Amino acid sequence: GAGVSQSPRYKVAKRGQDVALRCDPISGHVSLFWYQQALGQGPEFLTYFQNEAQLDKSGLPSDRFFAERPEGSVSTLKIQRTQQEDSAVYLCASSSWGVSTDTQYFGPGTRLTVL
Amino acid sequence: GENVEQHPSTLSVQEGDSAVIKCTYSDSASNYFPWYKQELGKRPQLIIDIRSNVGEKKDQRIAVTLNKTAKHFSLHITETQPEDSAVYFCAASLRKSSGDKLTFGTGTRLAVRP
Repeated sequence: GAGVSQSPRYKVAKRGQDVALRCDPISGHVSLFWYQQALGQGPEFLTYFQNEAQLDKSGLPSDRFFAERPEGSVSTLKIQRTQQEDSAVYLCASSSWGVSTDTQYFGPGTRLTVL
Repeated sequence: GENVEQHPSTLSVQEGDSAVIKCTYSDSASNYFPWYKQELGKRPQLIIDIRSNVGEKKDQRIAVTLNKTAKHFSLHITETQPEDSAVYFCAASLRKSSGDKLTFGTGTRLAVRP
């Protein structure tokens, strides 16, 4: 079946602009994660949804970052008043929810460049 | 919170040789340890994972070992091929009511010389 998809794949923003990044998880997956991957680094956790509930947002770096998943499927990560340090690849991952920790399947990411 | 360290940061091997990448974690409660392969500009892809009730797992040329007492786990790739060249990330996770986020290592860039 179809994997996790993300759009846009590339986004260039001027400093101070707002951006919205979209994630389409694997159909039926309950869990959805957002990660930020800086150049040459491992992904770092941003936030987690179980269906439409945002259960963990401890990784969001500032109140400029906001995520939602209103119907428990598609999710949007919004960054307000972008700064140069926001430049990174934003990865979305989804997993099913079973009796133990489930495999996370990643999307291709959105590469955000803030000028 | 969890902290994962990964070594080495770069690894170059001759085609056909073995490659070993090592990771340590800090939270003794972590119970799930996946390994992801990421090619340049591509998404991370799971290659193998291990849970804390198992000490070793093998899938063809790839194996992972886990030492819970020492809190470390390793990836072993035998008979390396040029297509194994990529960045490899280890990760650790623990199922919580608030979810089971992955904490990643910093990655190992593996180069397999033909």
